[in-house]
Amino acid sequence: GENVEQHPSTLSVQEGDSAVIKCTYSDSASNYFPWYKQELGKGPQLIIDIRSNVGEKKDQRIAVTLNKTAKHFSLHITETQPEDSAVYFCAASMGGSYIPTFGRGTSLIVHP
Amino acid sequence: GAVVSQHPSWVICKSGTSVKIECRSLDFQATTMFWYRQFPKQSLMLMATSNEGSKATYEQGVEKDKFLINHASLTLSTLTVTSAHPEDSSFYICSARDESNYGYTFGSGTRLTVV
Repeated sequence: GENVEQHPSTLSVQEGDSAVIKCTYSDSASNYFPWYKQELGKGPQLIIDIRSNVGEKKDQRIAVTLNKTAKHFSLHITETQPEDSAVYFCAASMGGSYIPTFGRGTSLIVHP
Repeated sequence: GAVVSQHPSWVICKSGTSVKIECRSLDFQATTMFWYRQFPKQSLMLMATSNEGSKATYEQGVEKDKFLINHASLTLSTLTVTSAHPEDSSFYICSARDESNYGYTFGSGTRLTVV
């Protein structure tokens, strides 16, 4: 089955800096890669996703890049703010009826 | 966007009692819903896949008689933790797939504490 590795497990940055979280996947058939943000005591919320027919997607301060050949994708957050502090999960799935496989999560801490 | 409502957000129960958690898709129909368990500082662990009108599919190691799942309608799935014990204390999260796209929407989670 699919295996998703996520790094780093913890990321500490100063407000205004950029943050990058990287994930790799094992199944070349995966074609849908969502990113979720989970705040303490809440369920994960989808913040951005990318499909395998594009290499990059941007939404204001967040962007995701995908390298299908290398089987890795990354989340980029620019101009970080304290409210960006949360746990971020990447996931990969083959879309359709396939359940996404999640990474282990990255705890992002943005210091004011 | 798609919204999934999960209740209760937290519950404390005595050991040996049962607890029911509800998961509703508010603005879309979900033939499939998923139940996850999450331990502190860990990732989401899929417990079971809930299929409307049929039996749930449980992941290996999850006791189906302890974690009863019912998906009686296209918008509601319930998870009942039967004869709860302190080791069942955890954060339970449901998710529903919007059939119109690949998106999986999560509920807000339920913090279960068994005393």
